[in-house]
Amino acid sequence: GAVVSQHPSWVICKSGTSVKIECRSLDFQATTMFWYRQFPKQSLMLMATSNEGSKATYEQGVEKDKFLINHASLTLSTLTVTSAHPEDSSFYICSARGPGGFTDTQYFGPGTRLTVL
Amino acid sequence: ILNVEQSPQSLHVQEGDSTNFTCSFPSSNFYALHWYRWETAKSPEALFVMTLNGDEKKKGRISATLNTKEGYSYLYIKGSQPEDSATYLCAPGMGGFKTIFGAGTRLFVKA
Repeated sequence: GAVVSQHPSWVICKSGTSVKIECRSLDFQATTMFWYRQFPKQSLMLMATSNEGSKATYEQGVEKDKFLINHASLTLSTLTVTSAHPEDSSFYICSARGPGGFTDTQYFGPGTRLTVL
Repeated sequence: ILNVEQSPQSLHVQEGDSTNFTCSFPSSNFYALHWYRWETAKSPEALFVMTLNGDEKKKGRISATLNTKEGYSYLYIKGSQPEDSATYLCAPGMGGFKTIFGAGTRLFVKA
């Protein structure tokens, strides 16, 4: 199957700093990329959907200015957690999908564990 | 609010047992349903995608069925092995171009 990388795999930062997480599709063109957050013992919560070259669509309750998403190319999307606070500590995971829409498989990255002190 | 329910939440079986779990979703505005397998410390791995009512898919000892009219899908594992231990996620694609994940069924297979 296709490979999606995510970097870093874990990060610890101080409160008030910003953290950037990269998601790359290594062997296919990702028309659409998704960012999810997982709270302990809960499922994947969709944060936003981004299509290459256009603004991300955020889910209700997700702060656009807090979680900046950029999908500048067909192989790279970034999530920047701005002015991070301890409540932003979580597991963030991205996925990428080709141009086939809903019937295309989403390929997931390995996730990033963010801890804000 | 789109509600995707998976049951049971967790399941403990012995090696060799066959098992099945359920994914329930709203039947309106349905596009497709995905099943994923998520092993600890790994990325979720796609198992199946199904779109048509009555679809059945099979991959080795794992199979799935889909009923779009009543809004459910079953995942079956025949002769469970310890390596089948994982969380199984279903994700229907619904109206509004969203794919919503269920909370998953955590399967533990004891040797």
